[in-house]
Amino acid sequence: EVQLVESGGGLVQPGRSLRLSCAASGFTFDDHAMHWVRQAPGKGLEWVSGISWNSGNIDYADSVKGRFTISRDNAKNSLYLQMNSLKTEDMALYYCAKDMAIAARTDTFDFWGQGTMVSVSS
Amino acid sequence: QSVLTQPPSASGTPGQRVTISCSGNSSNIGFNTVNWYQQFPGTAPKLLIYKNNERPSGVPDRFSGSKSGTSASLAISGLQSEDEADYYCSVWDDSLNEPVFGGGTKLSVL
Repeated sequence: EVQLVESGGGLVQPGRSLRLSCAASGFTFDDHAMHWVRQAPGKGLEWVSGISWNSGNIDYADSVKGRFTISRDNAKNSLYLQMNSLKTEDMALYYCAKDMAIAARTDTFDFWGQGTMVSVSS
Repeated sequence: QSVLTQPPSASGTPGQRVTISCSGNSSNIGFNTVNWYQQFPGTAPKLLIYKNNERPSGVPDRFSGSKSGTSASLAISGLQSEDEADYYCSVWDDSLNEPVFGGGTKLSVL
């Protein structure tokens, strides 16, 4: 059974940093690209960042480019999101999501974690 | 404001067929395949339709997707009360170079 478990969320002041983690199990982690998708309270879904299976291809939404860094450790079956210079508009539930394709990136998210909440407030 | 336009709400009665539209442009739906996600309150989204009209294992065939030009649609036939959820379309956008989502449609079963 595929499981994605996010952690690391919390309350942080604007301008500070936070690091999210996603522990994956139930599938061959290093076969798949992985993504972070967020959802602000009461709002829709927004793709944040994606990373290919071998970390060779990394992309960010314009809204987070230069502030967020995605990474993965295939030996630990883990995905990370380093978030710096946080803004109030970054406040959201952050989901870790698995890409459907093997050894490719299709931006089709076939499994999602339950999310970790990031609150940004002074 | 979302790049993809969905109606904010839709409704139907049990047994009815409902459709949810997703309108884009030539940079996204016009040249790329569309995915649909279903989200119940307080839970994570679930992949419902991929590559315009493919259903992942376990998704009932009451759910179907289609695409024409720069628009896509999700159809739900034999509507059931448990279909009450939010539905999102998603596609790669060649201009933005990232995947984009519609604003979501809240489906009510009356």
